[in-house]
Amino acid sequence: DAGVIQSPRHEVTEMGQEVTLRCKPISGHNSLFWYRQTMMRGLELLIYFNNNVPIDDSGMPEDRFSAKMPNASFSTLKIQPSEPRDSAVYFCASSLDRLAGVSAEQFFGPGTRLTVL
Amino acid sequence: EDKVVQSPLSLVVHEGDTVTLNCSYEVTNFRSLLWYKQEKKAPTFLFMLTSSGIEKKSGRLSSILDKKELFSILNITATQTGDSAIYLCAVGRSNYQLIWGAGTKLIIKP
Repeated sequence: DAGVIQSPRHEVTEMGQEVTLRCKPISGHNSLFWYRQTMMRGLELLIYFNNNVPIDDSGMPEDRFSAKMPNASFSTLKIQPSEPRDSAVYFCASSLDRLAGVSAEQFFGPGTRLTVL
Repeated sequence: EDKVVQSPLSLVVHEGDTVTLNCSYEVTNFRSLLWYKQEKKAPTFLFMLTSSGIEKKSGRLSSILDKKELFSILNITATQTGDSAIYLCAVGRSNYQLIWGAGTKLIIKP
C-alpha cells in the first residue's frame, strides 16, 4: 500500500490567494483527519470525517477554511483567502476504526508545508 | 477540558543512556493511549495501549499504561542517535478522536 498521499508537498503563496490541499487516504480506511502543526501550537485537529461525513469541524479556525470528502478516496482542505498566520504543516491522516468506541492508530501522510507571504 | 500533558518538553542524553518519557492525561471517555515518533516528517505509530499494567514492547522501546493514575511512560533503552525525534502521546476518546500532547523533543548525543 502506498500509504496516505498528500499534495502538494510544499506550497508558497501570497496573502489573499486560495490554497487547496489534497489527500488520498489508505484504501479501506473509514476515517480521515486533517491536522495543522506549528511550533507554537503543536498538532491541532482541524476536521474529522467518518465514512466521508464530517463529524467534527470544531477545530477549523474560521470560515476561511473548508474541507470536503466527496468519496472514500479523496479529500480537500481549502483556505480562501489565505493569510500569513496560516503558514504551517498540514497533515492528513487516516484510520480504520474496527472496534466500536476505540480509536485506531492513525497513519499520517507526509504533510504539506504551506507558506503564506 | 480534556488535556494531555507530556514531560519533559525536551531531553538531551548521550548514546547508550536509558530515557523515560511521561504522558499524563485528563480525558473524558478514555478508550486508548497512543505513542508516535516524529522525526523530520510525519508522525509514525509506535504503540497503542488500552489496558493498565500490560507492557508493550518493540525492540528497545517499551510502554505501559496506568489507568488509575492516568499516565503512561515510554522507555527507550540503549539509546542511539537515530532515536532523536519528537515523541508524541495521544489519547483516544470514544468518538474516535485523538487528543494530542505537545510532545517531548529527545536529542541523543553521540
